[in-house]
Amino acid sequence: DIQMTQSPSTLSASVGDRVTITCRASQSIRSWLAWYQQKPGKAPNLLIYRASSLESGVPSRFSGSGSGTEFTLTISNLQPDDFATYYCQQYNSYAWTFGQGTKVEIK
Amino acid sequence: EVQLVESGGGLVQPGGSLRLSCAASGFTFSSYGMSWVRQAPGKGLEWLSGISGSGGITYYADSVKGRFTTSRDNSKNTLYLQLNSLRAEDTAVYYCANEGVATKSGVFDIWGQGTMVTVSS
Repeated sequence: DIQMTQSPSTLSASVGDRVTITCRASQSIRSWLAWYQQKPGKAPNLLIYRASSLESGVPSRFSGSGSGTEFTLTISNLQPDDFATYYCQQYNSYAWTFGQGTKVEIK
Repeated sequence: EVQLVESGGGLVQPGGSLRLSCAASGFTFSSYGMSWVRQAPGKGLEWLSGISGSGGITYYADSVKGRFTTSRDNSKNTLYLQLNSLRAEDTAVYYCANEGVATKSGVFDIWGQGTMVTVSS
């Protein structure tokens, strides 16, 4: 199975900051990568698919980039609603796999 | 409104069985692949199983292969997960999720609210 590794595991930031989360795949997944946001007690919510395509209804301060084995999720101008845990997920080949998550905390 | 609603979770003893259901509404259920994803308390997301729109093709994570079975009844717009030989480490919230199409095939754009499964004596 393809292993997905996110860094950092926890990130402390302030409202208005620009934050970047990295996701690395154990082998090339081309651009078949998605990003999700999850808040406590809630199901995950899709943000980005195919590495850089913004899901409908998701604010434009979220952006994704990368291909092959290295990907990033960037949140520009961090808002109070953005404090949550973020997961990457590869869908290049079964079994689909998720990164371990990055928690974005208030500094 | 597009919606997925899971049910069937609960407390079960180690070695026991449970069947989860996921009722879909608001979209053409048979046109979409579906998956089950779980999340152990305080842990990350783990994909478990997927099934094609017709139900003819299924996929499983190694961690549940041979113990869990995914099926669907398109006439009832319902997805199922049969959980057998349950272990304490299967304790988690179980989500069903709709897989998108085309460049979103394999991407989970609709999720249920989750159902909790607790395996304990």
